[in-house]
Amino acid sequence: KAGVTQTPRYLIKTRGQQVTLSCSPISGHRSVSWYQQTPGQGLQFLFEYFSETQRNKGNFPGRFSGRQFSNSRSEMNVSTLELGDSALYLCASRNNFGTASSYEQYFGPGTRLTVT
Amino acid sequence: EDQVTQSPEALRLQEGESSSLNCSYTVSGLRGLFWYRQDPGKGPEFLFTLYSAGEEKEKERLKATLTKKESFLHITAPKPEDSATYLCAVQAGQTGANNLFFGTGTRLTVIP
Repeated sequence: KAGVTQTPRYLIKTRGQQVTLSCSPISGHRSVSWYQQTPGQGLQFLFEYFSETQRNKGNFPGRFSGRQFSNSRSEMNVSTLELGDSALYLCASRNNFGTASSYEQYFGPGTRLTVT
Repeated sequence: EDQVTQSPEALRLQEGESSSLNCSYTVSGLRGLFWYRQDPGKGPEFLFTLYSAGEEKEKERLKATLTKKESFLHITAPKPEDSATYLCAVQAGQTGANNLFFGTGTRLTVIP
C-alpha cells in the first residue's frame, strides 16, 4: 500500500506571496492532519480534516487554511508569507475518526518551504 | 497546560551500549502516547502506541513503556542504523479529534 505523498517536496517563495501544498493520504484513510515543523518549535499541529470538514484546529493565524476533497486528498494554503513560515510542512493520515484505535497517524515526507 | 518534555535532547551511544529515552507529560485526559522515529529530511515514522499505564510494546531492539507520568523508550544493543531523532507525542482531550502534542525529540547517534 502506498504511503502518504506530498507535493511539492521543496518550495522557495518570497515574502508576501501565497503557497498551496498538496497531500494524498494512504488509500482508505479519510482523515488528514497538517503539521508545521521548525527547529525552534518542533512539530506543531495546524488542523485536521475528515470527510471534507475541518474537525480541529491548532493555534495558527488565519493565514493558514486548508481544505479536503471528496477523495480525501487535502491542500494547505498559506497566504501573505512571512519569513517565519519557513518550515517543513508535514501531512499525516489516519484511517478513522472517533475511536481510540484510530489515533495512530502516518506521516508523509513533508514539503520544505523556504521564504526569502 | 498540556506539555510534553523529552530528555535528553541528544544522546551518543557506542554500538551495543543500551540506554533509555524519556518522555514526561502533563495532559488532561490522555488518550494515547505515541513514539515516532524521524530521519533527517523525512517525515516521522510511526513506532508504537501506548494507551494505559503499565503497557509495554516491543519492536526489534526497541521497547516502549508507559507510566502515569512518563514513557520510556528502551534501546537494547543499538546499531548505527538506529541513529535518528525519536519523537514522543500525546493525544489528549476531545474524543476523536486530533489533538496531538509533540515533544521536541531526542537526537540519537550510535557510533560503530
